[in-house]
Amino acid sequence: AQKITQTQPGMFVQEKEAVTLDCTYDTSDPSYGLFWYKQPSSGEMIFLIYQGSYDQQNATEGRYSLNFQKARKSANLVISASQLGDSAMYFCAMREGSDYKLSFGAGTTVTVRA
Amino acid sequence: DAMVIQNPRYQVTQFGKPVTLSCSQTLNHNVMYWYQQKSSQAPKLLFHYYDKDFNNEADTPDNFQSRRPNTSFCFLDIRSPGLGDAAMYLCATSRAPPRLGFTDTQYFGPGTRLTVL
Repeated sequence: AQKITQTQPGMFVQEKEAVTLDCTYDTSDPSYGLFWYKQPSSGEMIFLIYQGSYDQQNATEGRYSLNFQKARKSANLVISASQLGDSAMYFCAMREGSDYKLSFGAGTTVTVRA
Repeated sequence: DAMVIQNPRYQVTQFGKPVTLSCSQTLNHNVMYWYQQKSSQAPKLLFHYYDKDFNNEADTPDNFQSRRPNTSFCFLDIRSPGLGDAAMYLCATSRAPPRLGFTDTQYFGPGTRLTVL
């Protein structure tokens, strides 16, 4: 079964607008971490934001915020005030329990239009 | 700046010719990882080192080996590359192994794009 599901293969967003990228996850482990990474066409995987399963508040990092809904098992990424440099592939990932491995979703390609 | 460095950024090899990819880090992290990412796919973990302890993923082919001579360096050896091994190879590090209550973020290098002719 897929551990991470990203249902949006591609999205277009107007510059300066906000965009929400969907991510749902599946785990029975009460301890897990959720991550979002950005991968531009150059290939580098850039860490954006982290949410722990026991964190009470939604994570925020600058223009990035994570809408964590534990009961629904969703961890959507919100990018506010989109910039042209935000055009990239975005991956949601999860680490469960004591497992070292990150399980990645299929990714969402975001294209920011001027 | 502390970082994860991968060399070379682009590597071309011939079918069956051994190739070594290099990763170094100045973060002084204990854990180093190698991921394989094929075109339009998500990264897939091949193996990781926690200090000198090597851990292979169950489905990693024997064709892939790794060495970690010290904390800073980790190498990926592909003994006999096949056409199906053409991919981006991403090295990552984390400060510590997964532990409850700790953010064990994995930080990635820029990747090495391997072409097999």
